[in-house]
Amino acid sequence: DGGITQSPKYLFRKEGQNVTLSCEQNLNHDAMYWYRQDPGQGLRLIYYSQIVNDFQKGDIAEGYSVSREKKESFPLTVTSAQKNPTAFYLCASRTPYNEQFFGPGTRLTVL
Amino acid sequence: KNEVEQSPQNLTAQEGEFITINCSYSVGISALHWLQQHPGGGIVSLFMLSSGKKKHGRLIATINIQEKHSSLHITASHPRDSAVYICAVGGGNTPLVFGKGTRLSVIA
Repeated sequence: DGGITQSPKYLFRKEGQNVTLSCEQNLNHDAMYWYRQDPGQGLRLIYYSQIVNDFQKGDIAEGYSVSREKKESFPLTVTSAQKNPTAFYLCASRTPYNEQFFGPGTRLTVL
Repeated sequence: KNEVEQSPQNLTAQEGEFITINCSYSVGISALHWLQQHPGGGIVSLFMLSSGKKKHGRLIATINIQEKHSSLHITASHPRDSAVYICAVGGGNTPLVFGKGTRLSVIA
């Protein structure tokens, strides 16, 4: 089965700790994205990558970092600099024909 | 930057009703997407449109490029259609811009 996996589904961290969210895809897509979703708001773009070893900041990149060392993997680190990290995080990928695929999401709660 | 507006924000319908969700955007686009998000949070792509109309089962999506407007219709609605429906625009190397979503509840 091809798709995007995100782990874990729920994540709890203490304030001030960095945390890394996993995103893996076996769809052979070049383009991958990280979005943040807050109640009552649309999805907002954190970072995206069009190809391995390259990535760009989205609209709300401050306090986040990413890497793209492998085509299949696009992990997101939420650093202690992110002022309000509690949110639902979605990873996505895109085909060359603009079809969008989304992972199941990770709900991060900072205590 | 494109602005995407959806209406209504919330919608409650009786089972069997015909439902329409609207989406307007401010800047010309290459593609418009309709997405469905269930309570668990996962998102599924329903349609990608660049012109005209598409139909899949009881779902119909239309787009008017000149008016920068799209509609998602659900015929013979069912409680399992209850979800958040999200409109997004963009494509290619341009990241998507998302509307805030329309929360649909279909009551049996």
